[in-house]
This record gives sequence, C-alpha cells and structure tokens, in this order.
Amino acid sequence: AQSVTQLGSHVSVSEGALVLLRCNYSSSVPPYLFWYVQYPNQGLQLLLKYTTGATLVKGINGFEAEFKKSETSFHLTKPSAHMSDAAEYFCAVSHNNNDMRFGAGTRLTVKP
Amino acid sequence: NAGVTQTPKFQVLKTGQSMTLQCAQDMNHNSMYWYRQDPGMGLRLIYYSASEGTTDKGEVPNGYNVSRLNKREFSLRLESAAPSQTSVYFCASSEAHGGNEKLFFGSGTQLSVL
Repeated sequence: AQSVTQLGSHVSVSEGALVLLRCNYSSSVPPYLFWYVQYPNQGLQLLLKYTTGATLVKGINGFEAEFKKSETSFHLTKPSAHMSDAAEYFCAVSHNNNDMRFGAGTRLTVKP
Repeated sequence: NAGVTQTPKFQVLKTGQSMTLQCAQDMNHNSMYWYRQDPGMGLRLIYYSASEGTTDKGEVPNGYNVSRLNKREFSLRLESAAPSQTSVYFCASSEAHGGNEKLFFGSGTQLSVL
C-alpha cells in the first residue's frame, strides 16, 4: 500500500521568504500526487496535482511542486510567502483504485 | 455555490449514543467519501461510495456505517459512539472514482464523545 511522509509538522517562514514543504511517498506503482491546503475551520482545497507528463506542476496561489521519481519526493514550494499562505498543507498519494492516502500535514506559519 | 454541505458542524455525544452525520453535494458527482481527521495523522478514509448504490470500506471503517441515499446524499452513522471516535469528520465528493480525481471537501463536523 502507498504511504506519505511529510517532514516537519510545523514550518515557520518570514513574509517574502521561500516556502518549502517536504513530501516523500512510497509506492510500488507510478503514483498520482496531490497537495491540498486547509484554512482554519474549512475543508481541504486542491492546490495542485501530478498525474502524468511534466514533472513540474504549477498550482494556485503561486505554489508549485516537482515530482522526482528517483527521490520519491513531491516537495511544495513558493518563492515568496504571503501572510495569507498561513494554513495546513497535506500531501496525498493515490493510484487507479483511488484509495487516496494523506500525510499527517504541515502547519505553515508566516511571520510579518 | 454550495458544493459539499455537511451537518451538523458541531456535536457532543455521550459514550453509547448514536448519531448520523449528513452530507450532500450539488455538483452531480458520482463518488462520495467520508474521512476523519486526527492530530498528527492526517485524513483517513472511513467509507466511500464510488457510485450511487455502492459503498465500500476504507482504511478505518470499524464502528461506522454509511448510506448512499441518492446521488446527492451520503450519510455516516455511529451506532454506539466511543471516545476514540472523537474527531473531525469530512465528507468529500469527486466526479468519478479514479486515482487522479480531484476531491471537493465539506467544511467538516467536529464531534466530541465524552
């Protein structure tokens, strides 16, 4: 079965600094990979997803992620953090049976 | 533009009580899901319904039952609540049951079992 590990349950950055949220997965077959964001008291919203093709995926709000098969990673980045980026971020992996597995989440804090 | 609607938003139960969480989507999606979210564990799938008339167990189905009432509605029932079921519950839907499908989530139900 596939699984996801998110390194760092809390990440704190200054406004304007680079955001890097780490995600590694384990899977015996090519995965579909997702990043979701959860704002306080809300459900999850899709930021971006990788299915096939280009390994650098661009999402909403200036986020992007790169699928690196050799490293089994799908790290999320944003060049310049904004206060409104403060939220919890979840990496997820699935296959054709759609048994989507989520990581434990990383809470991003943005300091002024 | 409702999307996925869950009721209630908050609920407190005593051990052994029963309750049903309701979920409805207005996007004409075929597939619906129930997840629970616990601190440090992310979201775990309880049950899903790939299409109207079908339901299947997810990763953590014990202590729960579901009903796909029609294409729009998917309910989750706790027959005899236990403190271990204290959690935040999310309903989600997708156009189809396939690994690359985007999930649309409701805003959650915060359940406490005393």
